[in-house]
Amino acid sequence: GESVGLHLPTLSVQEGDNSIINCAYSNSASDYFIWYKQESGKGPQFIIDIRSNMDKRQGQRVTVLLNKTVKHLSLQIAATQPGDSAVYFCAEEKGGGADGLTFGKGTHLIIQP
Amino acid sequence: ETGVTQTPRHLVMGMTNKKSLKCEQHLGHNAMYWYKQSAKKPLELMFVYNFKEQTENNSVPSRFSPECPNSSHLFLHLHTLQPEDSALYLCASSLQGHALTDTQYFGPGTRLTVL
Repeated sequence: GESVGLHLPTLSVQEGDNSIINCAYSNSASDYFIWYKQESGKGPQFIIDIRSNMDKRQGQRVTVLLNKTVKHLSLQIAATQPGDSAVYFCAEEKGGGADGLTFGKGTHLIIQP
Repeated sequence: ETGVTQTPRHLVMGMTNKKSLKCEQHLGHNAMYWYKQSAKKPLELMFVYNFKEQTENNSVPSRFSPECPNSSHLFLHLHTLQPEDSALYLCASSLQGHALTDTQYFGPGTRLTVL
């Protein structure tokens, strides 16, 4: 079965608002989590990552929160812009090494003017 | 640009054809990956190469045959495919296969259509 999933296939937000995209994972052994953004016609683009020994990490306009108790991951995008429109995937990696990533289904973020 | 290139970007082939997908990374990475992205499904890991050695085959049918001649190049050889193999095939690379946090960088993908 799928190890990593997202709660909503589509999220619509107003330009300038903050966006929160959620993800639930089921494997408590996962120790590394990544958010990717995929625009139409392109491959997934790395946004931000977090290790399991952290519960929050901030980037430029993005913040990832990790709640290991409930196995929940979220991506917060501040002041959403039209260029943020894309499909967002969370992914997990179990253990160290080149194990490959397990992806969720993705949330399509739609920005309304 | 992520430093990972894939050719061709689009490919249409018949079920009896043989074709190859190519991936090249310019990042000095040692691990390379093939993923399949089908409509309405999560990205699926297919193969992992670490320092040119295949370390994972995720139960992929033998009609898909990977090749990694060096750390910079990865191929996916295709033969006698089925229409359900139509998908976006993504290549990724990462710095080293033994790091606890080993970010993967993706190419733009090859959109494959099997007729």
